[in-house]
Amino acid sequence: IAGITQAPTSQILAAGRRMTLRCTQDMRHNAMYWYRQDLGLGLRLIHYSNTAGTTGKGEVPDGYSVSRANTDDFPLTLASAVPSQTSVYFCASSPDTPDTQYFGPGTRLTVL
Amino acid sequence: GQNIDQPTEMTATEGAIVQINCTYQTSGFNGLFWYQQHAGEAPTFLSYNVLDGLEEKGRFSSFLSRSKGYSYLLLKELQMKDSASYLCAVMDSNYQLIWGAGTKLIIKP
Repeated sequence: IAGITQAPTSQILAAGRRMTLRCTQDMRHNAMYWYRQDLGLGLRLIHYSNTAGTTGKGEVPDGYSVSRANTDDFPLTLASAVPSQTSVYFCASSPDTPDTQYFGPGTRLTVL
Repeated sequence: GQNIDQPTEMTATEGAIVQINCTYQTSGFNGLFWYQQHAGEAPTFLSYNVLDGLEEKGRFSSFLSRSKGYSYLLLKELQMKDSASYLCAVMDSNYQLIWGAGTKLIIKP
């Protein structure tokens, strides 16, 4: 692994289903982030974690949850997906906060 | 509220120079970032400004005026591979990045 990986690359999901998007980094960065990117809008922060064991809410946290059990992994869970959660989801990490953020390749999620 | 404004789309010619502007109104300021994003890919870091002035990095330069809430990204000697979206982001008082919607740059031969 080099940098940040995300899985799956893309997913089509029925509304009401539970889904976990995975994010793993091997750079030993302390901080990690989840963003969603929608056409015509800037990236919007969903949740973040400044260090393992801590998490915080971003601009659009409703309907999403995260955990940070260790430094490397930062999964994002949609408890009951809705069509408005159709988006491209990017995970990012930074050595510390504040610092430059580095992005994973993204997960394209479609909720029908 | 917090707001980042940048043009939606710009067109330029291969070999030319283009300037992409970004204006911002945020609660606090802890630096301004520019990222490049090719279609279907992740954003990649280009530059960071926290003090007024020009930062030069090869063909790319970024300028900041904190008093005017203004930045620009200058791309010289444009190449076809520079066709991408350019994202402006400001780090606010909570050390969170506030992002503009991005400027799609189209390079024509």
